[in-house]
Amino acid sequence: AAGVIQSPRHLIKEKRETATLKCYPIPRHDTVYWYQQGPGQDPQFLISFYEKMQSDKGSIPDRFSAQQFSDYHSELNMSSLELGDSALYFCASSLVQGTNTEAFFGQGTRLTVV
Amino acid sequence: DAKTTQPPSMDCAEGRAANLPCNHSTISGNEYVYWYRQIHSQGPQYIIHGLKNNETNEMASLIITEDRKSSTLILPHATLRDTAVYYCIVRVRTGTASKLTFGTGTRLQVTL
Repeated sequence: AAGVIQSPRHLIKEKRETATLKCYPIPRHDTVYWYQQGPGQDPQFLISFYEKMQSDKGSIPDRFSAQQFSDYHSELNMSSLELGDSALYFCASSLVQGTNTEAFFGQGTRLTVV
Repeated sequence: DAKTTQPPSMDCAEGRAANLPCNHSTISGNEYVYWYRQIHSQGPQYIIHGLKNNETNEMASLIITEDRKSSTLILPHATLRDTAVYYCIVRVRTGTASKLTFGTGTRLQVTL
C-alpha cells in the first residue's frame, strides 16, 4: 500500500539559509500534519492543513511557513535557518471523514544546520 | 496539551506479553484512544485505536476500562523488534482534522 512520502530524506544547510521539505500524502487523504522532533525529544506538532486550508497551528516559528497544494502535497518552507532547527521533520496524512481516519507518518526528513 | 500519562520506561522479556498502561482521566466523550510507536528515529507507526470496547488487531490488543479513564496496550508475544517508544494519544476520530499530540511515551526495552 502507498505510504506517506517525504523528500528529501536528508538535508544539510548552513545557518541563515532556506530549506524546503516536501510531503506527499497517501492517495485520497485530505489532511496533512507536520511535526518536528529534536534530538532526544518527542514529536512536536507544527501545523496542519485540511483541504488546502490551514486547520491548526502549533509551535511553528514565524520563520517557517507551509502550504498544501491542489494535489494535496504539502511543503514546509524554513528560512533564516538556525542551529536549533536541526531535527527530524515528520509529515503525516489522514482522512477527516470515513471509516479509516488514522494518521500515518512518513519516514521523515533529517535536517542538519551547520 | 497532552492528556495522557504513561510510565517512562518498561522492560519485557522476549516472548512474554508486554502490558503498557496509560492514564487518560480527562478524556472527552468523543475522543478515542490511539497508540503509536516509534522505533529509533523512524516515523511514528500506528498500532491500534479504540473508543470504549476492547480492540484487537494483528499487532496488539487494546483494553479500555469501563470508565474510559485508562487503557492498556498489550503486545502478546514481544520480540526484540518491538523495542520502541510507545505513545498513548487521545484524539477526536472523525469530522475534524484533529492533530495527534505526543506526550513523553513509554520506552519499552525487550530483552533476551
